[in-house]
Amino acid sequence: ETGVTQTPRHLVMGMTNKKSLKCEQHLGHNAMYWYKQSAKKPLELMFVYNFKEQTENNSVPSRFSPECPNSSHLFLHLHTLQPEDSALYLCASSQASGHTYEQYFGPGTRLTVT
Amino acid sequence: SQQGEEDPQALSIQEGENATMNCSYKTSINNLQWYRQNSGRGLVHLILIRSNEREKHSGRLRVTLDTSKKSSSLLITASRAADTASYFCAVGAGGTSYGKLTFGQGTILTVHP
Repeated sequence: ETGVTQTPRHLVMGMTNKKSLKCEQHLGHNAMYWYKQSAKKPLELMFVYNFKEQTENNSVPSRFSPECPNSSHLFLHLHTLQPEDSALYLCASSQASGHTYEQYFGPGTRLTVT
Repeated sequence: SQQGEEDPQALSIQEGENATMNCSYKTSINNLQWYRQNSGRGLVHLILIRSNEREKHSGRLRVTLDTSKKSSSLLITASRAADTASYFCAVGAGGTSYGKLTFGQGTILTVHP
């Protein structure tokens, strides 16, 4: 798991708060991903970045705002979230997204919105 | 939907037994991947099988792919308590969704010592 790190590991926030999730990969990959994992639902792809450019936004509400300053770092800025946004947020990276490579996941951030 | 669907949803076996999980999908694929997730943690890639391959092995893992039936299976032989986890298939898209992985809901495997 040291290849992809995520901070914080746990986050509790109120609906009016603003917080950010951070992901860093040390694998030299060029693609990074945000996924949402809710109980009893399949893993949902949220965003894809390929060489720092966003190439996929899977109809994610604007209260989630991604940022990818370079190929190694990915952020997810959160504001005015809803209780149903409580979930495990997983970051992943791969060689590139133009071809389907295996993805390497971080340990996730467990988010609770109160 | 391209989503993989795993079967069974849960599987409980004794240590030393084999565990078989199945995955079905609906459209054309570039490849199919299997991942493991320990409770509340990130996913770990296990094995990738390409659409032109029929079988692949990695240690105690054996994956088969039948593109005519749009299905795959993951066999774990001589299971161990440490294999207890959720297992997900992920369909690697072809066509205009090239590069996108779509995950199924997973199979929860419990291996009793």
